[in-house]
Amino acid sequence: AQSVTQLGSHVSVSEGALVLLRCNYSSSVPPYLFWYVQYPNQGLQLLLKYTTGATLVKGINGFEAEFKKSETSFHLTKPSAHMSDAAEYFCAVSEADGGYQKVTFGTGTKLQVIP
Amino acid sequence: NAGVTQTPKFRVLKTGQSMTLLCAQDMNHEYMYWYRQDPGMGLRLIHYSVGEGTTAKGEVPDGYNVSRLKKQNFLLGLESAAPSQTSVYFCASSSSPDRVYGYTFGSGTRLTVV
Repeated sequence: AQSVTQLGSHVSVSEGALVLLRCNYSSSVPPYLFWYVQYPNQGLQLLLKYTTGATLVKGINGFEAEFKKSETSFHLTKPSAHMSDAAEYFCAVSEADGGYQKVTFGTGTKLQVIP
Repeated sequence: NAGVTQTPKFRVLKTGQSMTLLCAQDMNHEYMYWYRQDPGMGLRLIHYSVGEGTTAKGEVPDGYNVSRLKKQNFLLGLESAAPSQTSVYFCASSSSPDRVYGYTFGSGTRLTVV
């Protein structure tokens, strides 16, 4: 069974500092991995995804993530935090299950950006 | 360019009351999902549908029923609401069983059962 672990339910960074949100997964098949962002009182938006090929993937708003198979990790980074990055971030892993896309979400990491 | 629309956005129910949450998508997606989001627990799948006229149970289906009579609509019903069903409910859709595309989410329904 697949699972996702996000280390740290809350992360605080200063504006302009590096953002690092950690995600580790387990999957019985080659994983497809996703990061979603949720702004207050909104639904989740797809930030970036890894399917196959290049292990460093770039997403919207300057975020990127690197798939490391040996470490079963898919950490999300951004070189310089902006106030508008304050949100909750969810890592997710997907695998086919009986003809539908079974997605398992992590419990989320709330990012606080300090001015 | 509506995407996934959920109605209502907010609702307060008394214990034992019933209600239906509506999810509508205009992207011609085959697959639709209902999740609930609770603090510290992430998103948990309630029910899903792989096409018009089909439904299936997810991770936490008890106390909920669903219907997909039209491809664009996915209804979530609570027959007898309980305080444990206080949550934020999200509908999502996807275009295929392929794992590539991710989901498109609605903006959620915040339900309080008192």
